[in-house]
Amino acid sequence: QVVLTQSPSASASLGASVKLTCTLSSGHHDYVIAWHQLQPEKGPRYLMKLNTDGSHIKGAGIPDRFSGSISGAERYLTISSLQSEDEADYYCQTWGAGNVVFGGGTKLTVL
Amino acid sequence: QVQFVQSGAEVKKPGASVKVSCKTSGYRFINYGISWVRQAPGQGLEWMGWISPYNGHKKFAQKFQDTVIMTTDTSTTTAYLELRSLRSDDTAVYYCARGNEEFEMWGQGTAVTVSS
Repeated sequence: QVVLTQSPSASASLGASVKLTCTLSSGHHDYVIAWHQLQPEKGPRYLMKLNTDGSHIKGAGIPDRFSGSISGAERYLTISSLQSEDEADYYCQTWGAGNVVFGGGTKLTVL
Repeated sequence: QVQFVQSGAEVKKPGASVKVSCKTSGYRFINYGISWVRQAPGQGLEWMGWISPYNGHKKFAQKFQDTVIMTTDTSTTTAYLELRSLRSDDTAVYYCARGNEEFEMWGQGTAVTVSS
């Protein structure tokens, strides 16, 4: 079964950029993933679907500051011009063989 | 406008049951599966399974195969998650989401606390 690995935490300054990483397990480098944001006291918010060719399709209303990219087994979420409301947990997620898998999540702190 | 509105927080004793609702609107209900995902305190998101409102087909994560019941009501475009024989480790926030693979819309979550 595919496993998604994320760093537990990340931090960056207000107005700066940050790149969050989600790593696909060996033998599963051709999986499509999605990124979700989980803000405190709110439900998850779908950010985007990241395809194996590196293209991404964002959810409705997701600002241009959010973008996705890939390199091999790595899947990235880049947030530019960080704002205080970007402080949240970010989860990557994939699916296959009838199952859904989430990464462990990255807690982003905006300094 | 697509909306998912879940029922309010619940506090239950061990061994009891709870039924969480997810009222949907703004799209054709039978066209998309409904998935359930939970987050236990201090933990990440965990997929529980999904149900098709079209034909009732269900798929559960192995961990939840014998412990949860998923249903839908097409007349009210509402999905339900029932948890039976609750244990303290069922304490979590439960989310519904649209889709069986890619979750483009989520409910706001329902906190279920199991405590004696």
